[in-house]
Amino acid sequence: KQEVTQIPAALSVPEGENLVLNCSFTDSAIYNLQWFRQDPGKGLTSLLLIQSSQREQTSGRLNASLDKSSGRSTLYIAASQPGDSATYLCAVSSGNTPLVFGKGTRLSVIA
Amino acid sequence: DGGITQSPKYLFRKEGQNVTLSCEQNLNHDAMYWYRQDPGQGLRLIYYSQIVNDFQKGDIAEGYSVSREKKESFPLTVTSAQKNPTAFYLCASSIGPTYGYTFGSGTRLTVV
Repeated sequence: KQEVTQIPAALSVPEGENLVLNCSFTDSAIYNLQWFRQDPGKGLTSLLLIQSSQREQTSGRLNASLDKSSGRSTLYIAASQPGDSATYLCAVSSGNTPLVFGKGTRLSVIA
Repeated sequence: DGGITQSPKYLFRKEGQNVTLSCEQNLNHDAMYWYRQDPGQGLRLIYYSQIVNDFQKGDIAEGYSVSREKKESFPLTVTSAQKNPTAFYLCASSIGPTYGYTFGSGTRLTVV
């Protein structure tokens, strides 16, 4: 059964810093990996979707990489801003089964 | 604009009551999903449906029921058999299980 782990559980950084969030998964036979953002009390907003054949995806200040063989993905946020403060969730799709989620990393960017 | 609408935003349930959470999408997606979110536990899958008139149990289906009579709608009923229903419930949809998901804004259910 697929398991997804996100480290660290919480992270606090000063504004302007570059940072990396980590995601690992136990079964490397995935179709895709998706990163989401969740603000308190809100639904999930999709940030980046990486197909299994891809190595990375970029959107603005965000870059997500995927290393399927080692079961790892990273989300890189450049020049962090207070508006980036949120919980970031990683989820993987394996076969014909729905997304399996990690527990998330709660990010605080301090002005 | 296309999207997913969940209602109500807040719902209160008395002991022994069944309540139904609504999820409607106009994205023409075939697949729809219900997840439950508890503090510190991440999202856990309750039920999912890949096509109309068909659905499958997720990891925590006990005490819940669903129907998929229309492509656009996937309501979730929290029955009295669910002993600890207080949680944040999220509905999502996708073209298929290997495509990106779109989420609704969630329903917060509280037992009173």
